[in-house]
Amino acid sequence: EAQVTQNPRYLITVTGKKLTVTCSQNMNHEYMSWYRQDPGLGLRQIYYSMNVEVTDKGDVPEGYKVSRKEKRNFPLILESPSPNQTSLYFCASSPRGGLGAEKLFFGSGTQLSVL
Amino acid sequence: DAKTTQPNSMESNEEEPVHLPCNHSTISGTDYIHWYRQLPSQGPEYVIHGLTSNVNNRMASLAIAEDRKSSTLILHRATLRDAAVYYCILRDPDNAGNMLTFGGGTRLMVKP
Repeated sequence: EAQVTQNPRYLITVTGKKLTVTCSQNMNHEYMSWYRQDPGLGLRQIYYSMNVEVTDKGDVPEGYKVSRKEKRNFPLILESPSPNQTSLYFCASSPRGGLGAEKLFFGSGTQLSVL
Repeated sequence: DAKTTQPNSMESNEEEPVHLPCNHSTISGTDYIHWYRQLPSQGPEYVIHGLTSNVNNRMASLAIAEDRKSSTLILHRATLRDAAVYYCILRDPDNAGNMLTFGGGTRLMVKP
């Protein structure tokens, strides 16, 4: 089944403890992206990747890192999490990105709480 | 990206048609109109998209005004499973990186 898989589904951590949220897609998509969703603010893009080894900042990249060493995986790294990064995170992918008609496929989300 | 305006919420009865409006008066000639929905506790899900002509698929229909300043998502027979937040989004093909800018959306409630 074609899908975007995020892990973990829920994560509770403490301030400053490094964490990684994994994202994997099995559709051979070139484009991948991370969003965070907060009440009243909608979904905001954190980082995106147009292809392997190509990443760029979205609207809210501060405090996050990403890497794209292989096409299927796009992990989101929080080197020193803070409480304002408590949010619902979504990974998404698309065949190529950059085209008006392409659609995004989303993962099921990761609810992160930073205490 | 050009902005869209949608009602905060709408109600419908089960098995009746639902028309979800979206205004996008600043749309450019190359912007695609996309609709996504987000069911409770799930990630957004693609529904439909169009450029100029009306579009139909197994989930819904998209009616686009002739001047493209507004569009309407049509669910032909609402079911309880259609209760979700529906997002109308303009996709600028020249903005390669940020594929979609999500606004507040319309929360659709379906009554049995």
